[in-house]
Amino acid sequence: QKEVEQNSGPLSVPEGAIASLNCTYSDRGSQSFFWYRQYSGKSPELIMSIYSNGDKEDGRFTAQLNKASQYVSLLIRDSQPSDSATYLCAQGGQNFVFGPGTRLSVLP
Amino acid sequence: GAVVSQHPSRVICKSGTSVKIECRSLDFQATTMFWYRQFPKQSLMLMATSNEGSKATYEQGVEKDKFLINHASLTLSTLTVTSAHPEDSSFYICSARDMADYGYTFGSGTRLTVV
Repeated sequence: QKEVEQNSGPLSVPEGAIASLNCTYSDRGSQSFFWYRQYSGKSPELIMSIYSNGDKEDGRFTAQLNKASQYVSLLIRDSQPSDSATYLCAQGGQNFVFGPGTRLSVLP
Repeated sequence: GAVVSQHPSRVICKSGTSVKIECRSLDFQATTMFWYRQFPKQSLMLMATSNEGSKATYEQGVEKDKFLINHASLTLSTLTVTSAHPEDSSFYICSARDMADYGYTFGSGTRLTVV
């Protein structure tokens, strides 16, 4: 059974700092991973996808995948208060498996 | 990108009544849609997988007779909460995948309050 684990947080970082969110997964066969952001009272929105080992950058976001160690991370540079949300890691496949989410708080 | 429309966004109903929630894929066809429930400060919980033209697959512990799912077309899935009770009050979210994009897209969610 596939499992995805995340630290529930809250993770607090000052404005302008780098926020680092981590996720581990159990299914070595997975080829795709996704990061979603969910604001309170809203539905999740996809912010990053990654399929290969290494880094993938999109604006202030960088996703990192290490299949050997079975972890995927999300770095948010120059964190803003508007980045305060819950970040969900998901393992792809026929049926997605979501982690429980990490709550990020960016302090002004 | 793929767009999933969910309606209504908010509904208040009396105990014992039924509520229907619609989920539409606007610019792609979705043979499979997913229904989630989320209680405050908790993670997403998959309730069921909706399959176009066939019966839905329910997760363990989810009552199929209470949460009726119909996926009659490639762009529409509905979730009906029957005989609603206050404990059914929750945030219900659907999602679907455009195979070309591969990632799941979520609807905007439905906040159900049963009074």
